[in-house]
Amino acid sequence: GAVVSQHPSRVICKSGTSVKIECRSLDFQATTMFWYRQFPKQSLMLMATSNEGSKATYEQGVEKDKFLINHASLTLSTLTVTSAHPEDSSFYICSAPRLAGGPGEQFFGPGTRLTVL
Amino acid sequence: AQSVTQPDIHITVSEGASLELRCNYSYGATPYLFWYVQSPGQGLQLLLKYFSGDTLVQGIKGFEAEFKRSQSSFNLRKPSVHWSDAAEYFCAVGAGAQKLVFGQGTRLTINP
Repeated sequence: GAVVSQHPSRVICKSGTSVKIECRSLDFQATTMFWYRQFPKQSLMLMATSNEGSKATYEQGVEKDKFLINHASLTLSTLTVTSAHPEDSSFYICSAPRLAGGPGEQFFGPGTRLTVL
Repeated sequence: AQSVTQPDIHITVSEGASLELRCNYSYGATPYLFWYVQSPGQGLQLLLKYFSGDTLVQGIKGFEAEFKRSQSSFNLRKPSVHWSDAAEYFCAVGAGAQKLVFGQGTRLTINP
């Protein structure tokens, strides 16, 4: 089956620094990818839709200047958390739609655990 | 707006016992419904999905779910759980443009 990878799997950074997370579709092309945020013992909250070749679409309440998304190719989307603060510590998960699977069916990456000190 | 409710935050069952995880949704049209499983440190894996047709859907790992429109429910069932089924389970509804809205999740613990 299709695979979505994320790098890094875990990152610890100091407050005020920026962190880049990569999401790759390994054996298929994805014109759209999704970025989610998951707090401990909570559900996944959609942050934004990453669109290849155009601007990302952010969900209400998500700061686009804080969470920069770049979808530079059909297999890579990046999420940059700028000027990270402890409240940004979370589990970030990306996904890409499985077009042959029907609406809403997605392949998920393994997630990136961000800890901001 | 679409929403998904999983009333049970944590469920514990004994190995070999039957399992039912509840899911209720709110959606204006015919919903696309999903159950995903998340093991610690891993991404979400699709267990099963409902788009249309037969309201009882079979999934991987021996799971099944039944869509009941009158109750706005899509409960997940398994007749006999295994220790390896311990994980977090998420119900989700397709929210258009391939987006997903997730429930809060149910953590399943298996007693030996």
